[in-house]
Amino acid sequence: SQKIEQNSEALNIQEGKTATLTCNYTNYSPAYLQWYRQDPGRGPVFLLLIRENEKEKRKERLKVTFDTTLKQSLFHITASQPADSATYLCALDPLGAAGNKLTFGGGTRVLVKP
Amino acid sequence: GAVVSQHPSWVICKSGTSVKIECRSLDFQATTMFWYRQFPKQSLMLMATSNEGSKATYEQGVEKDKFLINHASLTLSTLTVTSAHPEDSSFYICSGVQPPVNEQFFGPGTRLTVL
Repeated sequence: SQKIEQNSEALNIQEGKTATLTCNYTNYSPAYLQWYRQDPGRGPVFLLLIRENEKEKRKERLKVTFDTTLKQSLFHITASQPADSATYLCALDPLGAAGNKLTFGGGTRVLVKP
Repeated sequence: GAVVSQHPSWVICKSGTSVKIECRSLDFQATTMFWYRQFPKQSLMLMATSNEGSKATYEQGVEKDKFLINHASLTLSTLTVTSAHPEDSSFYICSGVQPPVNEQFFGPGTRLTVL
């Protein structure tokens, strides 16, 4: 069966440290993978998109890697700040670029402590 | 980035009534909009794909006669929950796809509570 798995346990991290989140998928061949931030009671906010032919993408303090062999993406928040506390969702295109549909993982909640 | 709004942001209704939720793309034209549902502590589940000027495409297990979707213009899609029941209580989120990059922009969500 098809699955997108993110660590359901909350990640507690000290301010200034790097938070690393994992997204593993099974029985998909996505053309791209996206990461979103979601705050309580709000819609997701797009952060980064990485394509299947890209190994790594960076945006300010964020870094995403994509390993299509391992079927895994890692999401890093460097120099974390309390304002980074939120739930982070990974999403992929289940049809492999044939359209814009997204399938989301369960999300990982991050709590950055000052 | 582009902005998507939803109205209302929250609604409480009695069981058996119908509720309409609006999704608007404020500064771009969205030929495609998506409707998602999110239960507490769970991820977003795609309900349907809404295409301007044509019938919506529903995901498996989503009743099209219960969740009516209308995409009458390039900036507005509506979701009507008909004969709502307590189990329909959820957080409903829409997104609009902005061409040509086809990035999805999400609305702030609508909290529906059915008593």
